[in-house]
Formats: sequence, structure tokens, C-alpha cells
Amino acid sequence: QSVLTQPPSVSAAPGQKVTISCSGSSSNIGGNYVSWYQQFPGTAPRLLIYENNKRPSGIPDRFSGSKSGTSATLGITGLQTGDEADYYCGTSESGLTSGRVFGGGTRLTVL
Amino acid sequence: QVQLQESGPGLVQPSGTLSVTCAVSGGSITSNNLWSWVRQPPGKGLEWIGEIYHSGDGDYNTSLKSRVTISVNKSTNQFSLRLISVTAADTAVYYCVRLEHIRGNYIMNTWGQGVMVTVSS
Repeated sequence: QSVLTQPPSVSAAPGQKVTISCSGSSSNIGGNYVSWYQQFPGTAPRLLIYENNKRPSGIPDRFSGSKSGTSATLGITGLQTGDEADYYCGTSESGLTSGRVFGGGTRLTVL
Repeated sequence: QVQLQESGPGLVQPSGTLSVTCAVSGGSITSNNLWSWVRQPPGKGLEWIGEIYHSGDGDYNTSLKSRVTISVNKSTNQFSLRLISVTAADTAVYYCVRLEHIRGNYIMNTWGQGVMVTVSS
């Protein structure tokens, strides 16, 4: 059971837009920055979004992030078949059980 | 550009000790960053194990804290993970990760390729 809650899967057609949600609590998302990671099968995760909405160099602006209260959202526009992957949200946990936490991951299928 | 490379035995006996090392290249382990381990069981999600600063200060996942030690070797520019009393539930791909210090925050922006460790007799 992951600390952060993501939908197991989402799907959309090429060219369309999709959003992936990440729900937490006041001790994690509510008080800390959120990052998003993309992972293709058999490879390591790659940072997509950090500090809620910032993109590392080399990440296209089709990828965006937002945060409101204890939830965060990853948006992907102009979907391409190459975007099919697993997406994870991550943040820090404050308080007695401090550390880093992740969502359970969302499998994106581009139909 | 910092790169990370994990190494370790692919197979560990149940009740034994899992040891994995991460070699840091393209940068110094004494930089103002955190060095972390994240694992991923087959077909499952990511789990943070712990992290360490070059001074030795660090933090561990409370669910693993009694079994985990992360250490830094400044002379070899490496950091290591040691997990004792392993069971099949510890079978996973183990990733080493750099958390780069940017404007007061630590960002998980550099990942090793991962090393698969299987716990089995």
C-alpha cells in the first residue's frame, strides 16, 4: 500500500490530453514539493517534473505539473505512442515518519 | 554530468545480507547533495530505502530501519547499501539515486540503471 494514491491506469488516443492524479495528505503533499517520474519497462525512472511544476532541461513542454492542497496532477498533451510508460509521483513525508514517499504508479496506454 | 552505476551480487541467500554499491562518476560524493537508495520489486512500485549525506548523516525508511545501513566511502567516491536478514520480499531492482541540492531543495534527478537482486536458496 503506497502512501500516495494514483490511479492504476489511464488511457487516451494519440494527440489527446491526459491527466494523472496523485493524492496524499497534509504531512506529505500538503507541505512539500511534488515530483513526477517516467519509467519505461526495464529502465530506471526519469525525472519529469520537480517542485510541483518545473521541467528539467530536455523534458518537452507537453508535460506539466500542478499541485493544489494535498493533491497533485501530471498533465500530458499531444499524446504520442512513445509516452506509453509508468508514471510515479513522489514527495517528502514530514513528521514522525519522515522520508521520501512515492505513489503506486500509473500505467499510461496510448490507444 | 554525474553518472551512477550500481554493482552487487545478483543472488542472496534467505536470512543473509544484501550488499550493493553505487559508483559516482562525473562529480564528487562530497558535494552538497544527498545519496539515496530506492528499490522496486518485480511488477511493483518504487520504495524509498534511505539516504545519506557525505558527512554520514542520513535517514531511513522506518519500515526498514532496523535492517538497513547506508554508508559513504569518500576515498572511492562510492556509497553502499547493506540490508540484513533478507527474505524473498527483499527481491527487487535496487537503484542508487542522487538528490541534487537546488535552491534549498533536494531533487531526485539522477538515477543509476539499477541492479536486480534475488533472494533465494
